[in-house]
Amino acid sequence: DAMVIQNPRYQVTQFGKPVTLSCSQTLNHNVMYWYQQKSSQAPKLLFHYYDKDFNNEADTPDNFQSRRPNTSFCFLDIRSPGLGDAAMYLCATSRLGVRYEQYFGPGTRLTVT
Amino acid sequence: DAKTTQPTSMDCAEGRAANLPCNHSTISGNEYVYWYRQIHSQGPQYIIHGLKNNETNEMASLIITEDRKSSTLILPHATLRDTAVYYCIVSSTGNNRKLIWGLGTSLAVNP
Repeated sequence: DAMVIQNPRYQVTQFGKPVTLSCSQTLNHNVMYWYQQKSSQAPKLLFHYYDKDFNNEADTPDNFQSRRPNTSFCFLDIRSPGLGDAAMYLCATSRLGVRYEQYFGPGTRLTVT
Repeated sequence: DAKTTQPTSMDCAEGRAANLPCNHSTISGNEYVYWYRQIHSQGPQYIIHGLKNNETNEMASLIITEDRKSSTLILPHATLRDTAVYYCIVSSTGNNRKLIWGLGTSLAVNP
């Protein structure tokens, strides 16, 4: 089945130690998103790609970077994780022109120790 | 900020209809109403969307009031697997528009 895959499902990193989360999709969608969701809060959009065109949200900290080497893969890099970055990170995809219908992966739960 | 207001939590008996309300009194003419849900420890799932007409699909029905200031998502025969947080989102459909998520309604379906 076509889907959005996130690895790992759970990630533990140390304070200040760079970490990379990955997302892949078999839907061949143009648009890929990264959201941050903290406990009992709504998902918050960090950035998105339309193909290779990167769109950063104005309030996304510089500590968060992203790469999209090809249509299928997208990475979230946290350069120096702080305790406040502990959260669920959700990857989503959509087709251009149908951006309201986003397909989400299961998320990666990041713990910062 | 989210443009919608939803009750924090609701309960529903298994097999009964679940009616989830949403207020969006500042909705503008080109904005749609979208519903997503998020089952615990999973990513959100798209349910349905509408502009002004009522909509139905295999998952749910969406009833939008004539003045479009509120809507109701209806799960006709709720099951335990429908226990989730339900998000009502208002946004236009332009390519640069994003979904702005509120806190949603936590629906508990009870046996």
